[in-house]
Amino acid sequence: DAGITQSPRYKITETGRQVTLMCHQTWSHSYMFWYRQDLGHGLRLIYYSAAADITDKGEVPDGYVVSRSKTENFPLTLESATRSQTSVYFCASSAGVNQPQHFGDGTRLSIL
Amino acid sequence: DQQVKQNSPSLSVQEGRISILNCDYTNSMFDYFLWYKKYPAEGPTFLISISSIKDKNEDGRFTVFLNKSAKHLSLHIVPSQPGDSAVYFCAASGLGGGSYIPTFGRGTSLIVHP
Repeated sequence: DAGITQSPRYKITETGRQVTLMCHQTWSHSYMFWYRQDLGHGLRLIYYSAAADITDKGEVPDGYVVSRSKTENFPLTLESATRSQTSVYFCASSAGVNQPQHFGDGTRLSIL
Repeated sequence: DQQVKQNSPSLSVQEGRISILNCDYTNSMFDYFLWYKKYPAEGPTFLISISSIKDKNEDGRFTVFLNKSAKHLSLHIVPSQPGDSAVYFCAASGLGGGSYIPTFGRGTSLIVHP
């Protein structure tokens, strides 16, 4: 099915561990984004990518790493997880600038 | 500093009445505005958009109004239905000044009572 999928949906891990959140889209959209949603903060941009092999920082990039070797995949890695990174993470894609974004259903990440 | 502000964290309305959700922005380079709707445990979904060349855009029960001089937009839902209960995010972007990546407000939680 066409769409954007995130995995896993839920993840519990411990501080200091590395964890990777996956995002896959089937539309061949150029742009992909990672957001985190926290109470009182809405959606904050972590990283985005305009095309394969092109990534850029958003509002809250510290502690995160991204890569985009293929157009359809945009994984987000927490290299050494901290409790402050407990959040709900959303991946999104769009066909271009000034185009609506399509969001995945999110990954709820808890860091103990 | 927030460039897109939704100053009402929540709004409660009666079924059948009008819901008005407000959004203010500060960046004059923004020229494209969107509203997203989010249900619990799901990702946001695109609802309606408006570009700065218009002051109104309608899609069924949903209408977005843009007042560029006041840097203000609003989403009207008429008539409101219980299924409209969700969090609504306003977002803005613009091709100029490096603001082409959408900036989101913090959201307004709408509750429509039967």
